[in-house]
Amino acid sequence: NAGVTQTPKFRILKIGQSMTLQCTQDMNHNYMYWYRQDPGMGLKLIYYSVGAGITDKGEVPNGYNVSRSTTEDFPLRLELAAPSQTSVYFCASRHRDRGKKNYEQYFGPGTRLTVT
Amino acid sequence: DQQVKQNSPSLSVQEGRISILNCDYTNSMFDYFLWYKKYPAEGPTFLISISSIKDKNEDGRFTVFLNKSAKHLSLHIVPSQPGDSAVYFCAAPASNFGNEKLTFGTGTRLTIIP
Repeated sequence: NAGVTQTPKFRILKIGQSMTLQCTQDMNHNYMYWYRQDPGMGLKLIYYSVGAGITDKGEVPNGYNVSRSTTEDFPLRLELAAPSQTSVYFCASRHRDRGKKNYEQYFGPGTRLTVT
Repeated sequence: DQQVKQNSPSLSVQEGRISILNCDYTNSMFDYFLWYKKYPAEGPTFLISISSIKDKNEDGRFTVFLNKSAKHLSLHIVPSQPGDSAVYFCAAPASNFGNEKLTFGTGTRLTIIP
């Protein structure tokens, strides 16, 4: 299994440009997540999904959109890039295990985005 | 409001000694805690967890202790090795959102000095 893969690894955007960060997992996990990590800060949840066709906002959703058309893919869209969106973005996934507490999330390697 | 707090941004420890990383939480409803380890240019990886029904969980060189009355947990690494140099995050299921999500601390950068 490749686990959680993210593309691209690095990207520089100009203010106002748009782009999609790709995330794919091959573990058949129900739950998928997008986080951003700013320097010296923890991971902030942007959006998450509990299954194909279902998405919901996290702590910091403004300026982003997501879709979940398949179990495997969970792309993150930036429509009008702003300098405040300069960050490292991580995608993660987790299996839903009914009746058993299992909160462990598996993370991708991250995408480093700079908006200038 | 930050529900999971790591008040030490960095920690340096001599190789072979014990490393102790601390985490405080505010929500007494949290019933499960996780520690993640992150190397530069990589995603976080799960290290160890503990349920609130326990006060200790051990996995090799790593032990997590939970003090519910103090709302405090700590990660002990014994003996510390150079490969343990990384950023460590504690996390808990964000119960006011639902158990699908985790809330993370800001991390502690551990440096093991050879």
